[in-house]
Amino acid sequence: AQTVTQSQPEMSVQEAETVTLSCTYDTSENNYYLFWYKQPPSRQMILVIRQEAYKQQNATENRFSVNFQKAAKSFSLKISDSQLGDTAMYFCAFSLPTGTASKLTFGTGTRLQVTL
Amino acid sequence: NAGVTQTPKFRVLKTGQSMTLLCAQDMNHEYMYWYRQDPGMGLRLIHYSVGEGTTAKGEVPDGYNVSRLKKQNFLLGLESAAPSQTSVYFCASSQREKLFFGSGTQLSVL
Repeated sequence: AQTVTQSQPEMSVQEAETVTLSCTYDTSENNYYLFWYKQPPSRQMILVIRQEAYKQQNATENRFSVNFQKAAKSFSLKISDSQLGDTAMYFCAFSLPTGTASKLTFGTGTRLQVTL
Repeated sequence: NAGVTQTPKFRVLKTGQSMTLLCAQDMNHEYMYWYRQDPGMGLRLIHYSVGEGTTAKGEVPDGYNVSRLKKQNFLLGLESAAPSQTSVYFCASSQREKLFFGSGTQLSVL
């Protein structure tokens, strides 16, 4: 079974600064997907970024980027130029390749507060 | 664009009551899922479906039943609600690895 660990329950960053959220996972599989989801106070689950394990290049989406270290089973999220709208819970998640249902395994989340 | 729609958004039950949560998706996705979210525990998979007429157990299926009679709908039932089922319930659908989530249902069991 796969596990996902987020060791930072809460973090705070000032507006315009950079923050990195940590995530580690455990799996015996070689091919899989990793995700970061954002959950603002509205409760909506929003996909921030996605990484395919067989791709060595780190995924980026505008101000969001990941540092994917496959050997270390680490998948951190970097948010650059933080904005007040980035305040939310952030969940790291894992799934095996499609071909069947994409059953996500989630971490426990990191609550990020962006301050003025 | 509706995407994934959950009804109701809020519900309060007494212990022992039954209810059904409805999830509808308009994206013609094959796969659908029910998750629950509890404080400090992230989201956990309750049941899922790989197509019309099929269902399968997830990580925490006890106390819940599901049905997928139509491709676009996935129902989650609680036959005899318990306080431990107080949670936020999320439905999701997918065609490949990207899941699309509904806005959640806050359920309180007193």
